[in-house]
Amino acid sequence: NAGVMQNPRHLVRRRGQEARLRCSPMKGHSHVYWYRQLPEEGLKFMVYLQKENIIDESGMPKERFSAEFPKEGPSILRIQQVVRGDSAAYFCASSPTDRGVHQPQHFGDGTRLSIL
Amino acid sequence: SQQGEEDPQALSIQEGENATMNCSYKTSINNLQWYRQNSGRGLVHLILIRSNEREKHSGRLRVTLDTSKKSSSLLITASRAADTASYFCATASDYGGSQGNLIFGKGTKLSVKP
Repeated sequence: NAGVMQNPRHLVRRRGQEARLRCSPMKGHSHVYWYRQLPEEGLKFMVYLQKENIIDESGMPKERFSAEFPKEGPSILRIQQVVRGDSAAYFCASSPTDRGVHQPQHFGDGTRLSIL
Repeated sequence: SQQGEEDPQALSIQEGENATMNCSYKTSINNLQWYRQNSGRGLVHLILIRSNEREKHSGRLRVTLDTSKKSSSLLITASRAADTASYFCATASDYGGSQGNLIFGKGTKLSVKP
């Protein structure tokens, strides 16, 4: 009965390094969403993916950020050459395959990224 | 851009009292959802109300939606200390290009004192 699994829970990187955040959706869910949350703020949408497809990346910064959801394995959010401003909590959510837009999203507990 | 704006930003009440949180949004929506977030955790879905619905109940929760005013409210009755959390409203757009990504407000931080 596993929910959305994110790892690592905490990630520390130095400026200029790469950060890889992983998300395994709930069983049977093929829609994955990534959000970013700054302290005392709401979540900001980054990207929406289905298996092997990026559906909407309108919230992703144009540089250094990329996301994928391969046919096998978890979804990956990758941040290259991290900067201090990337410090935030990154949440992944998933939703079922074929229930359209009238559906709740199920969230993982997030990855807290700290940039030194 | 931020869609929903909750008020108040923070609310402190005694156990047993009711808590009311409000949310306003700017654009046309397909549905509005309320989530709870405990400190250091992910969001938990509470309730979804569609744009053609006016009121919805779930246990001690009551949500209203007024699309003419672009606003919603979440009422928690007979609050408990365990209700202490941040509460967020989130909207799903109704325009054709939207694929269900949610737009969140900044949240209301609720503290229920025993």
